[in-house]
Amino acid sequence: QQQVKQSPQSLIVQKGGISIINCAYENTAFDYFPWYQQFPGKGPALLIAIRPDVSEKKEGRFTISFNKSAKQFSLHIMDSQPGDSATYFCAAENQGGKLIFGQGTELSVKP
Amino acid sequence: DTAVSQTPKYLVTQMGNDKSIKCEQNLGHDTMYWYKQDSKKFLKIMFSYNNKELIINETVPNRFSPKSPDKAHLNLHINSLELGDSAVYFCASSQFVDQPQHFGDGTRLSIL
Repeated sequence: QQQVKQSPQSLIVQKGGISIINCAYENTAFDYFPWYQQFPGKGPALLIAIRPDVSEKKEGRFTISFNKSAKQFSLHIMDSQPGDSATYFCAAENQGGKLIFGQGTELSVKP
Repeated sequence: DTAVSQTPKYLVTQMGNDKSIKCEQNLGHDTMYWYKQDSKKFLKIMFSYNNKELIINETVPNRFSPKSPDKAHLNLHINSLELGDSAVYFCASSQFVDQPQHFGDGTRLSIL
């Protein structure tokens, strides 16, 4: 019940294309869903987050879509750039502050 | 002016040794965390402290002992290191529980 499943494991996108990463969760007690971006040798950095009372949140080129009934959420990166190449993690958190991470997606944006 | 800083960045040591990793945050946050990232990049929470009190203690061997001398510091001491302890350990902090977490750049622990 604590799992967060993330796909795909790796993703290759052409510059200017749309990158889409999907996550699914089981525990309905989760109430906060952040996405983190991690570059090699660095810690995860918060990219964008959503709470289950909204179905979509957009910040610049990054959009989270959230489907509460399906218990799924996804990250869309519009106009993907080589500088977006990194590992992306979805996560889910309950009110106790315990973040459960997905398995990560290695994104490579080709010039 | 690093927000969450960890020392050392790299730690290479032999099996059976005891080692410590230090973490400091200058964000004025009340809550601090330790995470372990394995070789497949999977991130898992180990501990969480809120205002120096332990609030999350995952199923972690008792060889791992966190210590929080004050709100701005959360150290991790590991006794009798084993090969399986090799990983990157991340410290994080948040304003309160259930607020966005800010991560340090990690400590890469390698056990020979």
